[in-house]
Amino acid sequence: SQKIEQNSEALNIQEGKTATLTCNYTNYSPAYLQWYRQDPGRGPVFLLLIRENEKEKRKERLKVTFDTTLKQSLFHITASQPADSATYLCAPRKAAGNKLTFGGGTRVLVKP
Amino acid sequence: DVKVTQSSRYLVKRTGEKVFLECVQDMDHENMFWYRQDPGLGLRLIYFSYDVKMKEKGDIPEGYSVSREKKERFSLILESASTNQTSMYLCASSPNHRVEGYGYTFGSGTRLTVV
Repeated sequence: SQKIEQNSEALNIQEGKTATLTCNYTNYSPAYLQWYRQDPGRGPVFLLLIRENEKEKRKERLKVTFDTTLKQSLFHITASQPADSATYLCAPRKAAGNKLTFGGGTRVLVKP
Repeated sequence: DVKVTQSSRYLVKRTGEKVFLECVQDMDHENMFWYRQDPGLGLRLIYFSYDVKMKEKGDIPEGYSVSREKKERFSLILESASTNQTSMYLCASSPNHRVEGYGYTFGSGTRLTVV
């Protein structure tokens, strides 16, 4: 069955450093991979989408990579700030079909 | 900005009650979704709809039904609420998958407690 794995342990990081999160998937051939941010008690917010033919995508201080051979996406927050503290969810998606399955998320805590 | 509005932030219902959770989106999206989120279990898809009056079961449809009579509105119905349906319920919408580059837009969630 399809499986999406994110590190369930919280990532504690010092302000100014780069946070790197991992999303691994198995039994899956996604055409896209999406990343979301979720704050406590709120709905997830869409951040970035990367396509299978894109190796890397950037948006401000965020960088996402997508390696279809390793079946892995890495999500980087550079120059992290306390306001970046949240849970980050990955969601691989096939080309056809509208359904999205989410990983369990990784909580990031940026300390001043 | 796309807005997805869920009718209640917090709801307390009794076991056996019929519960309606309402969701409205204002961007003419074809797709609408209902998820529940529980600690340690993540987001799980209950039902989704890709057009008016169309619905498909997600991963955990048991005990739930849905209604989509108008494009902008997607309702989740708990036929007979049980305590194991206590959860955070999240509604989302998105354009059709043929429209590339868009993610889901989620509502703020409804925290339902069944006592």
